[in-house]
Amino acid sequence: DTAVSQTPKYLVTQMGNDKSIKCEQNLGHDTMYWYKQDSKKFLKIMFSYNNKELIINETVPNRFSPKSPDKAHLNLHINSLELGDSAVYFCASSQDGGGRNIQYFGAGTRLSVL
Amino acid sequence: SQKIEQNSEALNIQEGKTATLTCNYTNYSPAYLQWYRQDPGRGPVFLLLIRENEKEKRKERLKVTFDTTLKQSLFHITASQPADSATYLCALGNYGQNFVFGPGTRLSVLP
Repeated sequence: DTAVSQTPKYLVTQMGNDKSIKCEQNLGHDTMYWYKQDSKKFLKIMFSYNNKELIINETVPNRFSPKSPDKAHLNLHINSLELGDSAVYFCASSQDGGGRNIQYFGAGTRLSVL
Repeated sequence: SQKIEQNSEALNIQEGKTATLTCNYTNYSPAYLQWYRQDPGRGPVFLLLIRENEKEKRKERLKVTFDTTLKQSLFHITASQPADSATYLCALGNYGQNFVFGPGTRLSVLP
């Protein structure tokens, strides 16, 4: 069983569209994350979320919003997609927040905005 | 602002040699430092964690050092193999704070 799974693996869409990426973890972790990895391979955190707190990286446009229906899921909604949103998006989870916790990553979703 | 640098974007070494990757940081005092491996088309995979009060950590052919005075971590792979070829990322973290990842070093082990 895949510990952290995200769908779809590839997403190709037009500028201005709205899209969602789904993420599920079966590890029983309390904290989930979304990261963006751009063409230069820099991995930057976008959000971290547990059932108590959402921490947003202040550089993330408000067109991006995380939605968590329950502890095992953290979906990413993106409105009005722009060319610069093209990247690989990774979902991850950890036992709880903070730097001492190992993070488990999904396989990534490659988003291409045309 | 926090800054993390990893020695070089790419590193080529001969099979059997020891690969040494560096992670330097400024404007930060992490309590934890982690190393991850990322293969093409996949998410990062955890390798080792070292705490600020630890000097060295080992796991099989891997060794990590953490020098909080120099603000540097070294990651060693001994007896390297072509299967070790991947991108290696260091990540810094603190109590109750999120990780900050370095830009990564792409290691190629040549047969």
